[in-house]
Amino acid sequence: TQLLEQSPQFLSIQEGENLTVYCNSSSVFSSLQWYRQEPGEGPVLLVTVVTGGEVKKLKRLTFQFGDARKDSSLHITAAQPGDTGLYLCAGESRDDKIIFGKGTRLHILP
Amino acid sequence: EAGVAQSPRYKIIEKRQSVAFWCNPISGHATLYWYQQILGQGPKLLIQFQNNGVVDDSQLPKDRFSAERLKGVDSTLKIQPAKLEDSAVYLCASSFSGGRVYEQYFGPGTRLTVT
Repeated sequence: TQLLEQSPQFLSIQEGENLTVYCNSSSVFSSLQWYRQEPGEGPVLLVTVVTGGEVKKLKRLTFQFGDARKDSSLHITAAQPGDTGLYLCAGESRDDKIIFGKGTRLHILP
Repeated sequence: EAGVAQSPRYKIIEKRQSVAFWCNPISGHATLYWYQQILGQGPKLLIQFQNNGVVDDSQLPKDRFSAERLKGVDSTLKIQPAKLEDSAVYLCASSFSGGRVYEQYFGPGTRLTVT
């Protein structure tokens, strides 16, 4: 069974700080998505990465897909209170199944 | 463009009762998913439809859960009878299946509490 492990589980930092969260697996994924979920809402797609080593930027968010397509990271520069939420990674396995990690709950203190 | 619609938003039932959730996907999206999200965890796929056919229901507890997607558009998920451990948020998502990458668009979810 393919699993996606996200770390850390919880992260609380001050506004203006930088942070990185991780999504790791021992298996290869065809693609990987990052979502943000706010309380009482469904997850919202942030980005999809497909190619090993791919880097995508979304304003202050930088996403990287590992060279071997087994891991990914999300880096936030100068975090703001609006970045608070649950960050989920989801991978498309080689047998076309969608697997979600348990998420990193991020809290940015003003 | 309208997003994925779900109803009801909240439901409280007693154990052994039945409950049904409804989902209307984004127009033109052929693939529809139902997920269960227990507090503090990521979504777990229950069932995936491609048009009105089932693609994956390997994690659906078929003794109590059922789902259908009539005419390849709206879908309903039913639980009968409910157990305490079914308390969770039930998320519906849809995607356009034109390519291999399954970028999903989620509805707001239905929060179910079983007492």
